[in-house]
Amino acid sequence: DQQVKQNSPSLSVQEGRISILNCDYTNSMFDYFLWYKKYPAEGPTFLISISSIKDKNEDGRFTVFLNKSAKHLSLHIVPSQPGDSAVYFCAASALSGGSEKLVFGKGTKLTVNP
Amino acid sequence: DTGVSQDPRHKITKRGQNVTFRCDPISEHNRLYWYRQTLGQGPEFLTYFQNEAQLEKSRLLSDRFSAERPKGSFSTLEIQRTEQGDSAMYLCASSSTGTYGYTFGSGTRLTVV
Repeated sequence: DQQVKQNSPSLSVQEGRISILNCDYTNSMFDYFLWYKKYPAEGPTFLISISSIKDKNEDGRFTVFLNKSAKHLSLHIVPSQPGDSAVYFCAASALSGGSEKLVFGKGTKLTVNP
Repeated sequence: DTGVSQDPRHKITKRGQNVTFRCDPISEHNRLYWYRQTLGQGPEFLTYFQNEAQLEKSRLLSDRFSAERPKGSFSTLEIQRTEQGDSAMYLCASSSTGTYGYTFGSGTRLTVV
């Protein structure tokens, strides 16, 4: 039973346009959400996070939106750059339940074309 | 700060052999995590240490797996009697109390033949 789902295995966008990566979750105990970026042969790199008490968090070109009622979050990258090409993982945690583990989705491979 | 270091980067072993991986976290981080990633999947949680105490273990961590973090510094993950299903990328990460964006290492890729 996958608790964090990234239903799009891949996404291709043009340089300068917006990239929108989506993530759905099923466990209502999740209260903290993170996005990681992964290049080949490297470990995942933390990108941005959001607590369940917020609905938006922004860091430069990256914005994460959280819709708790829909159990859905998205990552917006504006403008997209070729260096953003990587696999993006959505992850969730139930911090208030005392768990430190992250539950990851399967990832979405983003390709930004010059 | 040299980041999270994992050794070896690659390991090929025969089925039934034991293997041990090492992780050196960022020096000021008191929390250390082990994850496993197979092809086409996201990382899956294995276990977590706060200082030297192992506080959480996944049911994925069968009795063939053991992890230690003596003195709260580096950690080792041992797999006994390896099976082909153990082939995966083993990722280590670390963080400090109060921060939730782990820093991952580059991983150890295990291939069991």
